[in-house]
Amino acid sequence: EIVLTQSPATLSLSPGERATLSCRASQNIGTYLAWYQQKPDQAPRLLIYDASNRATGIPARVSGSGSGTDFTLTISSLEPEDFAVYYCQQRSNWPLTFGGGTKVEIK
Amino acid sequence: QVQLVESGGGVVQPGMSLRLSCAASGFAFSGNAMHWVRQAPGKGLEWVAIIWYDGSNKYYGDSVRGRFTISRDNSKNTVYLQMNSLRAEDTALYYCARDKYSRYFDYWGRGLLVTVSS
Repeated sequence: EIVLTQSPATLSLSPGERATLSCRASQNIGTYLAWYQQKPDQAPRLLIYDASNRATGIPARVSGSGSGTDFTLTISSLEPEDFAVYYCQQRSNWPLTFGGGTKVEIK
Repeated sequence: QVQLVESGGGVVQPGMSLRLSCAASGFAFSGNAMHWVRQAPGKGLEWVAIIWYDGSNKYYGDSVRGRFTISRDNSKNTVYLQMNSLRAEDTALYYCARDKYSRYFDYWGRGLLVTVSS
C-alpha cells in the first residue's frame, strides 16, 4: 500500500497569506495525485488532479505541483472560504489511498 | 445537475450485515465507475471500493476486502455496498462518489452514517 504523508498537520495563516501544503508518497507515483478540500459537515471537493490540473470551477489561486514522491498544493492568497482541511490522494496503485490531511486554520 | 443520494445506514451490532444504496441522477450513470469512500468520526478519508461502469471489475481497500461487496444496477442508476461481518472500526460516514479522470472523485453524496455498536 502506498502511504501518503501530509505536512504540516495544521497551518495557521491569515487571509491574504500564501499557503503551501506538502504530500509525500512512500514510493514513486508519477503524477497520479489529487488534492481535495473538505469543510466541516461537507463532502470533499476535488481541487487538483494528476498533480497540477485544476478541476472544473477551481480558481487560479489554487495550484498543484510535483512528481514522483513529493507534491505541493499552493494557495497563493488565502480567501476566507479556503480555511478547511485538505487531503491528497493517489491513484497509482491499488488500493487507492489518502493522506492524513492538513488543516488550514485562521491565525 | 449531478446528484448522489445514499440510503440504508443506521446502527447495527458487531458481526451483523448492512446494505447501503446510492441513487444517482443527472449524468450517464452507466458510463461511469463508482466508488465508496468512508470517514470515521473526526478522522480522515479512507477509500473502500470501486466498481467499473459495467460491473466487470471491482477493487477493495485492505480493511474491507472479503467482508464488503460492491455492486450496481445500471437499470436503476444505483450502486450498492453490502457490508458483512461488521466491526466497531467500520463505524463511519460512508460516501458514494463518482469516478473522474480514472480513479479520482469529482461528485460526492452527502454521506451516510453507519454505527457498529453493541
